[in-house]
Amino acid sequence: GQQVMQIPQYQHVQEGEDFTTYCNSSTTLSNIQWYKQRPGGHPVFLIQLVKSGEVKKQKRLTFQFGEAKKNSSLHITATQTTDVGTYFCAGRQSGGSNYKLTFGKGTLLTVNP
Amino acid sequence: DTEVTQTPKHLVMGMTNKKSLKCEQHMGHRAMYWYKQKAKKPPELMFVYSYEKLSINESVPSRFSPECPNSSLLNLHLHALQPEDSALYLCASSLGGSSYEQYFGPGTRLTVT
Repeated sequence: GQQVMQIPQYQHVQEGEDFTTYCNSSTTLSNIQWYKQRPGGHPVFLIQLVKSGEVKKQKRLTFQFGEAKKNSSLHITATQTTDVGTYFCAGRQSGGSNYKLTFGKGTLLTVNP
Repeated sequence: DTEVTQTPKHLVMGMTNKKSLKCEQHMGHRAMYWYKQKAKKPPELMFVYSYEKLSINESVPSRFSPECPNSSLLNLHLHALQPEDSALYLCASSLGGSSYEQYFGPGTRLTVT
């Protein structure tokens, strides 16, 4: 079945440093979504990427979808303490169920003020 | 209203109990989901309802029984659970399939004793 690998598992940074998390799928994805889950909270949708090579920005966050639609990344510039949480990618397999997203294991980001 | 509500927030039950988790959304979403999330793990899909019909059952044990009484409500009936079923149970909804963002509820923290 489809697997989505996500690295690193943990990342601790000093406030102001940059942060990147990477996702890699064993199969081609129709789309990939990113979610953030704060400690003790629930996943919150950040963005969706659909097109090959797509790049989207949200303030200090930059999201990329690979040319082969098998990998994606989330980059945060100049981290802040409010960025703390676990970031999950979630992809839909091409030709797969229209309702099933496969989540990566997540990257837990902690920020030292 | 972009909120998914879940009750109860916390639930402690014995292995012989019967209980139900409830989820509600009033966003007109046609897809509703149950996920199970263990600590430091990604959400794990259990069931998907599309237009009030069960669309996906991820081989979940029969001690979990989903129900979708109408387009706004989703229940998860629990019976004869095991301690390893202790987890955060998340409900989510989306406008359509996995090309749409999912809105997660705050979850029910379930402990089976």
